[in-house]
Amino acid sequence: EDKVVQSPLSLVVHEGDTVTLNCSYEVTNFRSLLWYKQGKKAPTFLFMLTSSGIEKKSGRLSSILDKKELFSILNITATQTGDSAVYLCAGTVYNQGGKLIFGQGTELSVKP
Amino acid sequence: EAGVAQSPRYKIIEKRQSVAFWCNPISGHATLYWYQQILGQGPKLLIQFQNNGVVDDSQLPKDRFSAERLKGVDSTLKIQPAKLEDSAVYLCASSPSAGLSYNEQFFGPGTRLTVL
Repeated sequence: EDKVVQSPLSLVVHEGDTVTLNCSYEVTNFRSLLWYKQGKKAPTFLFMLTSSGIEKKSGRLSSILDKKELFSILNITATQTGDSAVYLCAGTVYNQGGKLIFGQGTELSVKP
Repeated sequence: EAGVAQSPRYKIIEKRQSVAFWCNPISGHATLYWYQQILGQGPKLLIQFQNNGVVDDSQLPKDRFSAERLKGVDSTLKIQPAKLEDSAVYLCASSPSAGLSYNEQFFGPGTRLTVL
């Protein structure tokens, strides 16, 4: 059975800290890995990673995929209280359309 | 561009009652998804529609859950009868994909269901 596992499940940091969130996957016919941020409402898209070793960046957030070791990390530098959210990673599969296989999420809390 | 709309936002029912959720995707999006997110877990796909046809309903508990997208636009998810373990947030998402390749999914605000 396909699965995606995230760690840690929760994390408390102070503003300005750098955090690394982990996502490992066992997905047959793996196509890509996605990161979402879920605040109080719907998940919002952050990154899609399909190639190993190529870092994607958006402001203070960056992410990379390792298809050999089957994991991805999401880094957030200079954290702000607005970064407090649940961060979800999800795998997609070839020939299964848009089906997302989500991990359980990492709850990040950034204290002032 | 208007986002994915869902209603109601909250619903409290007693076990064995019925409930229905409504979703209106982003205009022009061919693909619509319903996810169930239990507290502390990631969303789990229940059903995926491509226009008005079902692409994947392998994780839909068909003895009590049903969903339709009759005109290929908005969709309804129904639970009948509800069980305590159905308490969750039900997320609807849509994407523009008309094929089998992945396209970014846009999520609605969700319906939080509490079954007492």
